[in-house]
Formats: sequence, C-alpha cells, structure tokens
Amino acid sequence: GAGVSQTPSNKVTEKGKYVELRCDPISGHTALYWYRQSLGQGPEFLIYFQGTGAADDSGLPNDRFFAVRPEGSVSTLKIQRTERGDSAVYLCASSFTMGANTEAFFGQGTRLTVV
Amino acid sequence: SQQGEEDPQALSIQEGENATMNCSYKTSINNLQWYRQNSGRGLVHLILIRSNEREKHSGRLRVTLDTSKKSSSLLITASRAADTASYFCATDAGGSWGKLQFGAGTQVVVTP
Repeated sequence: GAGVSQTPSNKVTEKGKYVELRCDPISGHTALYWYRQSLGQGPEFLIYFQGTGAADDSGLPNDRFFAVRPEGSVSTLKIQRTERGDSAVYLCASSFTMGANTEAFFGQGTRLTVV
Repeated sequence: SQQGEEDPQALSIQEGENATMNCSYKTSINNLQWYRQNSGRGLVHLILIRSNEREKHSGRLRVTLDTSKKSSSLLITASRAADTASYFCATDAGGSWGKLQFGAGTQVVVTP
C-alpha cells in the first residue's frame, strides 16, 4: 500500500479482555515499530522489529503485551487481560531499513479504549 | 521516560506570523527529527537533521541544531491555518536506532 495501515482505527473493549492490533507496513520496509501515545503526551516506544525478529522490546510495559511479525511484513500487537490504563493510541511505523538517519513513516494509529 | 522536551507547550499565533518552538534533549544523538500530528492521530515526518549539521531547510520550515547545548529549534515561517497541529521532536538517544524518544510536544494554533 501507499502508507502504513493500521486496523482497526478504533477499538473499545472491556477490562480483562484480549485484543489484537494489526499493522501493515509500507511494502519493502524491513523495520517496523510500535509506539503508544497517551492523551497529551508524546509517543512512547514499545518494540521494534528488524525483519521477523524483535530487535528491541524494552518498551513493552509488562508481560501482558506481546508483538509478532512472523513473515517480516504484517505485525500484530497483542494485549492480554486489558486494563483501563492500557487505553491509548497505538501507533505503528515502518522504515526501509534500520539505522542512523532513517526516516520512519507512521500509520494513523489505533485508538484503544478499555472500559 | 522522554528524552526530548519541547518549549513552549502551547503557541497561538495569527496567519502570516512565524512560529518558533524549541526542543531540548539529554543524551548524545545521531540525529533529531521533527514530526507533526493532527488531531492526535498519525505522525507526519517533517525533517531530519543529523548531529553534524547545524541548520536545515524544507519549504517554510527551518530547523537548527546545537549539539553543545543539546537543543534544536523549529521555525515555521508565514504560518497558515493548516499548520495548526502538535509538533514533536524525537531523538534516537545516541545509537539506539530503532528507538525514537519523543517529547511531549508543542501545540500550535494558527488563527485566520
């Protein structure tokens, strides 16, 4: 596609439920990133992939959060036992490669609301 | 934790005026990037300045970088109502290439 695509654009779920957020990166981009943005704050890093492997997952807040990218393209962020504090906009980005001075392109995000 | 901090937090100007916002960061960097965000959704990349560059231009945007002061500025000249958005600086925190660290942003409102 022309840009990074994230689905769904909005997700409302009940506390305790499991959710999956999907990211389709720009075709040919090898690096993929997940960020989380709370209201009034800047995005916070969660995890990034180079190809199929998670190169750095140090931003995942706890073991309820997990992300995969099995074929090196589409990625899914999975959140178990959701809590109200997980409510935020989840942003995905991709870049052609990974390295210094590489521009990342962001999707429109998925707004997750846990009620 | 957030590496960059933007100043001011909010800025209100009229069309045609210039808008300047600043970003300070804490650790050494390879580059600093500026992004724009409309309505709290997708981020649009504006400009990337490398640590060995001091100034960069892109259309009505001018970015400066002072690594000795660990600070950067973004100037938008001849602002338009369409420039209304939040602006964020992001750094790679000195070699952690995949891990951009963002500030809390400057919210800019341009009134016609």
